[in-house]
Amino acid sequence: EPEVTQTPSHQVTQMGQEVILRCVPISNHLYFYWYRQILGQKVEFLVSFYNNEISEKSEIFDDQFSVERPDGSNFTLKIRSTKLEDSAMYFCASGGTATIMNTEAFFGQGTRLTVV
Amino acid sequence: QKEVEQNSGPLSVPEGAIASLNCTYSDRGSQSFFWYRQYSGKSPELIMSIYSNGDKEDGRFTAQLNKASQYVSLLIRDSQPSDSATYLCAVNTKNQAGTALIFGKGTTLSVSS
Repeated sequence: EPEVTQTPSHQVTQMGQEVILRCVPISNHLYFYWYRQILGQKVEFLVSFYNNEISEKSEIFDDQFSVERPDGSNFTLKIRSTKLEDSAMYFCASGGTATIMNTEAFFGQGTRLTVV
Repeated sequence: QKEVEQNSGPLSVPEGAIASLNCTYSDRGSQSFFWYRQYSGKSPELIMSIYSNGDKEDGRFTAQLNKASQYVSLLIRDSQPSDSATYLCAVNTKNQAGTALIFGKGTTLSVSS
């Protein structure tokens, strides 16, 4: 069964450093998302991406964050200057095809980001 | 502020029983509703989606939607220990692909053998 894959599974970085989290969405999906979950808290929407543009972003997704689809398969989230409060599990998700434009989202296994 | 509310639990049921999980949402215009299962330390796994009032059944799972009451529920029949997890209710308020899902905090279900 096709799945969303994310790398790395765990990243430790020093405060102020840049990190790039990588995702390969399900191949026929058109909509891509990043969510995060701080330990013990709810899953929070960061950004959605369609047709090489941001569709929607939350208040969390400030100028420190950016997304990119550098090629036909990868989707990345960059955090320019990490803060301690960026420590969380980051989930990539994808959904929607050319024939089924629904709002379902299928999640990858996540990248645990630890900022020290 | 658009909210999705769930009882955090834990909800404890014996093996073979029916587990009933509930969710309310604040945005009356919401159109798409989802139940995800999340095992500890893992990612959310989509188990049910529902878009119109009434019941939707898939195997041991039944989702129920009442838009007038702004209420979504998930019934798990013949509960198994492997169903022990946190169940997340998620709502899309815009019913448009490429827009945000708003999640509740989740209800922890414990099924004892």
